[in-house]
Amino acid sequence: GESVGLHLPTLSVQEGDNSIINCAYSNSASDYFIWYKQESGKGPQFIIDIRSNMDKRQGQRVTVLLNKTVKHLSLQIAATQPGDSAVYFCAENFLGSYIPTFGRGTSLIVHP
Amino acid sequence: AAGVIQSPRHLIKEKRETATLKCYPIPRHDTVYWYQQGPGQDPQFLISFYEKMQSDKGSIPDRFSAQQFSDYHSELNMSSLELGDSALYFCASSLGQGRQPQHFGDGTRLSIL
Repeated sequence: GESVGLHLPTLSVQEGDNSIINCAYSNSASDYFIWYKQESGKGPQFIIDIRSNMDKRQGQRVTVLLNKTVKHLSLQIAATQPGDSAVYFCAENFLGSYIPTFGRGTSLIVHP
Repeated sequence: AAGVIQSPRHLIKEKRETATLKCYPIPRHDTVYWYQQGPGQDPQFLISFYEKMQSDKGSIPDRFSAQQFSDYHSELNMSSLELGDSALYFCASSLGQGRQPQHFGDGTRLSIL
């Protein structure tokens, strides 16, 4: 079948490395941000979120950093595993909107 | 845990035909969203419903319509299908419309011949 990662920016890492996926968001008025993971043939899966009153949030093996000054969001994955291979999307909610706007995905490829 | 269920998973239609996609949200979720995703593209928001009423509208063509039923499931009706409608169609659900993530189904792959 078609790869969701077709024509997307790609990050290749070795198993065990730390991965950093970056996202530039569009609207300085956005107040809620979400990272999704999408494996081939599946729907986006929630990973972690962060509100605009925070600049860092940690989950299990993942950390999201928010820099509102330059409208930049990053997802750090510690000790990357082959099962982390997927397309990762950031999404932002504009202030007052319930609908997330998705950014361009990044394809993460983890080599054993 | 129960997830969002979409049916069918795959659908093949010809131009000018109609199609109906179904979405069953996570139990107790009252908000449903529909997205379209082309190859290598990010999901594009089509339409959403909260408590059986349309709440937001995105880039949904006039040829498409949707509704949410009393049991909170939703259907996306697509008519006069065009080749460009070939895509993955995702449904997502959430409890309310606050600042919380949406939970996605695994989509319906629609192919127009």
